[in-house]
Amino acid sequence: GNSVTQMEGPVTLSEEAFLTINCTYTATGYPSLFWYVQYPGEGLQLLLKATKADDKGSNKGFEATYRKETTSFHLEKGSVQVSDSAVYFCALIRGMENTDKLIFGTGTRLQVFP
Amino acid sequence: EAGVTQFPSHSVIEKGQTVTLRCDPISGHDNLYWYRRVMGKEIKFLLHFVKESKQDESGMPNNRFLAERTGGTYSTLKVQPAELEDSGVYFCASSEHLGLPGAEQFFGPGTRLTVL
Repeated sequence: GNSVTQMEGPVTLSEEAFLTINCTYTATGYPSLFWYVQYPGEGLQLLLKATKADDKGSNKGFEATYRKETTSFHLEKGSVQVSDSAVYFCALIRGMENTDKLIFGTGTRLQVFP
Repeated sequence: EAGVTQFPSHSVIEKGQTVTLRCDPISGHDNLYWYRRVMGKEIKFLLHFVKESKQDESGMPNNRFLAERTGGTYSTLKVQPAELEDSGVYFCASSEHLGLPGAEQFFGPGTRLTVL
């Protein structure tokens, strides 16, 4: 079936460190891939997305590249800030049915310390 | 423009009681989704409305869960009777387009349900 696997957290970093959160997926067809972020006390927000192979999504200094050959969509940021502390969810939409249900990974908590 | 709103933000009930969660989507969004995150696990899809019709309810766990969207505006999710394993955070999301690759779903803040 369709699924998303992401690295377990928490990920603890110092400010200005490099961030990678790994995400791999299993899906038939050509899914669209997403990273959602949940800041403390808030709902999920779309961080970035990619809809086809080799696309790079980017936003707020975060980037992720849709790698079909490795079925991956790893999230990276060159220099994290304390304000990036949140839970990050990798997700996909299979895109071959009449429903756009998101399939999520388990989420990775990021804690950034000054 | 108002975002997706959910009510209540928290609910604590005893096993066997009934709880009704409400979601107000972004105005004009025909698609409304319910998701649930149970205790640190992945967020799982429950169901999808297009206007007032259930497009996909494959994620509904059992017949104790009833979702409605009368008139195609707000939606309610009723759990009756609630069980301990129903505890979690229930998210609602809405979107404008169906079938458009990468179409964004806008999420509400969630309702945290605790069943004692």
